[in-house]
Amino acid sequence: DSGVTQTPKHLITATGQRVTLRCSPRSGDLSVYWYQQSLDQGLQFLIQYYNGEERAKGNILERFSAQQFPDLHSELNLSSLELGDSALYFCASTPAPGRTDTQYFGPGTRLTVL
Amino acid sequence: DAKTTQPPSMDCAEGRAANLPCNHSTISGNEYVYWYRQIHSQGPQYIIHGLKNNETNEMASLIITEDRKSSTLILPHATLRDTAVYYCIVRVQNDYKLSFGAGTTVTVRA
Repeated sequence: DSGVTQTPKHLITATGQRVTLRCSPRSGDLSVYWYQQSLDQGLQFLIQYYNGEERAKGNILERFSAQQFPDLHSELNLSSLELGDSALYFCASTPAPGRTDTQYFGPGTRLTVL
Repeated sequence: DAKTTQPPSMDCAEGRAANLPCNHSTISGNEYVYWYRQIHSQGPQYIIHGLKNNETNEMASLIITEDRKSSTLILPHATLRDTAVYYCIVRVQNDYKLSFGAGTTVTVRA
């Protein structure tokens, strides 16, 4: 158990809908990272937040957005969902955005878009 | 990011050491080598990381060549629960993301 929690574990929805994935970092960790793992793209970095502010951005679609709240949990919002958004979504956390900080991953949310 | 090259798959006998190679010939002097593994769609699990020196923890050992162009992850006594995809990642200075490649699918057989 990494200490990172994610809800829900599974999510099934239809195209065009909007969903919110939630992540709670390890106790004391200030930075949260979101990754997407699809069958054809592998694990890809989406976005990072540190203490409530966006810190780094990867190949995140404009239909996707994220935020980190004062209690440090983070939410990833996916809108206008397409079939290709079906994937595993992981979050990870670190104490501070130092380059040698180890990222610990949560169990993931499996999103299925029908 | 420095690219890494790993064999796509390898088998290992239970109880034996598993040696997982990784090539990273374009690694820069301030880039670290990280190893993660992912067991059947679970979240990636951190194993070990290093810069120049060999490292050991309760899970594995990391051997980095002197020129740092390659490394080997050693699982000393593989068990069936070690069956997973193992990712070798080189982390760019000031880049906080982890860039995962295809990894090595390790199957431990009884």
